[in-house]
Amino acid sequence: QITLKESGPTLVKPTQTLTLTCSFSGFSLSSNGVGVGWIRQPPGKALEWLALIYWDDDKRYSPSLKSRLTITKDSPKNQVVLTMTNMDPVDTATYFCAHREVYGGHDYFDYWGQGTLVTVSS
Amino acid sequence: QSVLTQPPSVSGAPGQRVTISCTGSSSNIGAGYDVHWFQQLPGAAPKLLIYGNNNRPSGVPDRFSGSKSATSASLTITGLQAEDEADYYCQSYDISLSGSEVFGGGTKLTVL
Repeated sequence: QITLKESGPTLVKPTQTLTLTCSFSGFSLSSNGVGVGWIRQPPGKALEWLALIYWDDDKRYSPSLKSRLTITKDSPKNQVVLTMTNMDPVDTATYFCAHREVYGGHDYFDYWGQGTLVTVSS
Repeated sequence: QSVLTQPPSVSGAPGQRVTISCTGSSSNIGAGYDVHWFQQLPGAAPKLLIYGNNNRPSGVPDRFSGSKSATSASLTITGLQAEDEADYYCQSYDISLSGSEVFGGGTKLTVL
């Protein structure tokens, strides 16, 4: 059974750096074809993909946020960490992590965490 | 402005059929990339509904189906039920701007 859970601060100040951790179980990020991604959703708005890391440490970032994002993995600990620098009130959102795996040529987010709401305010 | 365009809202009565469109371009859907669909109930995380254009994960009722043609994709729900009231998102990959996973703007389905 695959589960993921996001953790981190609920409130950050403008210009600060946000660090979020995705802790997961039921799969290994050392296994061929496996990845974990981060997606966010501002209140009342659409989903926005942020970053993705694969078992082989291949890292992908949203082009519009690439300069502010870093994604890393700790496979033995079953964790993926996302950092976002220079936080702004527009970054207020629920942040989700999600499992990704290649199945029969298809590659998609199939299991999601519950999400964690991060508010950016002074 | 999302790279994939969805209607903001659709509605239908119980038992009816509704279709949600997802319009892309030659750099995403038209380039042959898969389209996936997610259902998001109020206050919940997105749930995978359709993967690889027209495949249902285990446990998803066959009332939900997906299709893809040229630069667009569609999600069709038949036999509409009250519990289908939710937000629906399409998702694909875009090769412009160094490549990126992209989501549609979402469609709110109201069951009348």
